[in-house]
Order: sequence, then structure tokens, then C-alpha cells
Amino acid sequence: EAGVAQSPRYKIIEKRQSVAFWCNPISGHATLYWYQQILGQGPKLLIQFQNNGVVDDSQLPKDRFSAERLKGVDSTLKIQPAKLEDSAVYLCASSLDRGMYNEQFFGPGTRLTVL
Amino acid sequence: GENVEQHPSTLSVQEGDSAVIKCTYSDSASNYFPWYKQELGKGPQLIIDIRSNVGEKKDQRIAVTLNKTAKHFSLHITETQPEDSAVYFCAASFGSGGYQKVTFGTGTKLQVIP
Repeated sequence: EAGVAQSPRYKIIEKRQSVAFWCNPISGHATLYWYQQILGQGPKLLIQFQNNGVVDDSQLPKDRFSAERLKGVDSTLKIQPAKLEDSAVYLCASSLDRGMYNEQFFGPGTRLTVL
Repeated sequence: GENVEQHPSTLSVQEGDSAVIKCTYSDSASNYFPWYKQELGKGPQLIIDIRSNVGEKKDQRIAVTLNKTAKHFSLHITETQPEDSAVYFCAASFGSGGYQKVTFGTGTKLQVIP
């Protein structure tokens, strides 16, 4: 079974530029998550989709971050404009919805450096 | 919201020794506690999990314990091997079905010295 795919793996941009990340979850997984992982910290949830609807975006900085999952499959996360503090690894994860406890499968992440 | 604290932040053990990582959580509504291993350049991978109605779970060299009253849970790795070297994250989760809010700890960097 193919895992969660993310691209690009690395991105370097100047502050105030825009950037987009792409995620393709495991086939059949209805729920998709985007996390931000700052160096030396645990992942922090930015947004959670179930199919193509948003379940939780309470920690998404909506003035600069946006995400969509138009057909309930792959997803994009955008930052516009980027700030220095956005430097982090952006992780995408997906899960099946089977009962109360659903294992999340993570992709390799996109490492963003904002200069 | 939920707050998860994790200790220690770094841990060095000799190969064959045991390693213990401890976490505490704040929200008594949390009902699922997964542990993840993250190797360099990779995403976290689930290694074991425990539900709130269970006090202990073991899978080969790895075991987790949960004390709901004290809001503590721990990861125990026995007979450590060099390939166990990685960053380990505990997490606390509440929810059901499609909605599951997971809060991660700050991570423990485990180094197993051959």
C-alpha cells in the first residue's frame, strides 16, 4: 500500500513570498490533517478535513494560511505572505474513519525555510 | 485545550538497557494515547497506542502504561538496540469517529549507544 505523498520535500523562499504544499493521502482515507512541526517541537495541528469538509481549523492562522481539499482526495496548503516564523516542517497525515480510535499515517513532510 | 508534557527531552542509554519516557496530560476527556517514533527526515510513525479503558499494553520490547487518575502515561523500551535511536513523541487524543483532536508532546531524542 502506498503511503502519504507530499511535495516538494524542501522549499526555500524569501519572507513575504508565497508557497504551496501538496499532499496525496492513502487511498480510501477520508480524513486528512496538516501539521506544523517547528524544530525541536512536536507536530501542531493546523487543519483537519473529513472528505472535503473542514472539521477543525481553530489553530490555522487564517490571515496568511489557507488549505483546500476540493475532491475529498488530495489537498494543498498555502502560505501567503510567508514570515520568518513559518520556517518548519509541514506534515500531512491521513486516517480511515473506523470507530473511535484512528491511526494517523504521516507523510515525509515538506521542510520550509523562510529567509 | 489539552496540554501534554514530555520528559526527558534527551535520553542516552547503552545498548541492551531499558529506556523510559514519561508524559502527563491535562484534559480528562482524552481517551486515546498514541506513541510515535520519528526518524531523521521522515514523518512520525505509530509504534504503540493505549486506550483510556486499559492500564497497560505490551508489544514485544515496547510497553505503555496509563494512570488515568494521575493523568500520566509512559513508554518503556526494553533491550534497546541502535535502531531504536530516534525522536519519540507521546500524544493525547479525544474524540470519536472522524473528529479526533491529537495533541503531541515536545519529543524525546533517544540515543542508544552500541
